[in-house]
Amino acid sequence: QKEVEQDPGPLSVPEGAIVSLNCTYSNSAFQYFMWYRQYSRKGPELLMYTYSSGNKEDGRFTAQVDKSSKYISLFIRDSQPSDSATYLCAMRGRMDSSYKLIFGSGTRLLVRP
Amino acid sequence: NAGVTQTPKFRILKIGQSMTLQCTQDMNHNYMYWYRQDPGMGLKLIYYSVGAGITDKGEVPNGYNVSRSTTEDFPLRLELAAPSQTSVYFCASKTGKEHNQPQHFGDGTRLSIL
Repeated sequence: QKEVEQDPGPLSVPEGAIVSLNCTYSNSAFQYFMWYRQYSRKGPELLMYTYSSGNKEDGRFTAQVDKSSKYISLFIRDSQPSDSATYLCAMRGRMDSSYKLIFGSGTRLLVRP
Repeated sequence: NAGVTQTPKFRILKIGQSMTLQCTQDMNHNYMYWYRQDPGMGLKLIYYSVGAGITDKGEVPNGYNVSRSTTEDFPLRLELAAPSQTSVYFCASKTGKEHNQPQHFGDGTRLSIL
């Protein structure tokens, strides 16, 4: 079993739709949770960062963490064609002083105009 | 502001050849990382470094070597290239001063071994 599971997609939605992206994980030591966005032929860039459980909102993006279910989500409201990218979840434990990240496999999102 | 710079962007190698993937950052970050990304597999950590002179293995270190003689540079060496090392390689760096600062990634080196 992988430590972090993520549906690879692709997920195709019309412009303006609400998008839900999800990851599940098995390691209860994970405390920090991130979402990275990766455009084609580019490196990943950080989109959202959350600590422990709860919600965090930034513009059209909302990140949710449910540690009891070992489940994290990223919601994109009013999706735009420019949101078309691969979305990677990443996480790490609190005690890891080297800040190593464990990544999901990524979900490809296509927003159709 | 260059950030993390990786060279070359593309490379084709023959089986058994050697090469060094270069990574340099201008943010004075102590922490640096090398990942490989295979289709549908996410990012796997190869090696990492917490400061100049200190390196350690990640999840998939076999077939690779690294060195960290300066804060800025973290080259990745392939000694005997194998087809299984065909991948996209990403270098990343992070400041150690604040835990919630992200890893900053370069744009990758696409490596094909034939």
